[in-house]
Amino acid sequence: DAMVIQNPRYQVTQFGKPVTLSCSQTLNHNVMYWYQQKSSQAPKLLFHYYDKDFNNEADTPDNFQSRRPNTSFCFLDIRSPGLGDAAMYLCATSRDITGGETQYFGPGTRLLVL
Amino acid sequence: AQSVTQLDSQVPVFEEAPVELRCNYSSSVSVYLFWYVQYPNQGLQLLLKYLSGSTLVESINGFEAEFNKSQTSFHLRKPSVHISDTAEYFCAVSARNSGYSTLTFGKGTMLLVSP
Repeated sequence: DAMVIQNPRYQVTQFGKPVTLSCSQTLNHNVMYWYQQKSSQAPKLLFHYYDKDFNNEADTPDNFQSRRPNTSFCFLDIRSPGLGDAAMYLCATSRDITGGETQYFGPGTRLLVL
Repeated sequence: AQSVTQLDSQVPVFEEAPVELRCNYSSSVSVYLFWYVQYPNQGLQLLLKYLSGSTLVESINGFEAEFNKSQTSFHLRKPSVHISDTAEYFCAVSARNSGYSTLTFGKGTMLLVSP
């Protein structure tokens, strides 16, 4: 089945220690997104790639970066995690970026910062 | 910019009872509307969406939502819920008539179905 895969499902890191979260897709979609979801809050878009074009949301902290080496893979790098970065991180894909497109989500990676 | 308000953080209901999950949105432009569902330990998945045409849209598992432009609402309903409907439900919007649009989500409503 075509799908969005996130590894690992749970990630523990130390305060200030860089961490990378991974996402891969078999849907061959053009767009890949990263969301941050904290408890009882709406998923918050951090950034997205349309093909190789990177689009950062205005309020995404500089501490968060992303890489998309090819169509299938996308990475979320947190350079110096703080306690406030503990959250569920969701990866999603869509065929296009126009309004009305369905987004397909992975199961998420829960990040714990000690 | 758009915003979404889901008025209820949690809705407990008994099996086979009807349910309505409320969603209101705010936008300066016309929007597309979505409901996503998140089952325990799974990612979000599309339940239904309104793009155009009939304001009443249905999902394959018995949910329906009605777009009400005057009230800026897109409430989700099901006439008879099952235990398996226990999940978190997210309402979302994206801007219409834009070459570039992303989703804005509400905070979610946890539907708890008990026997």
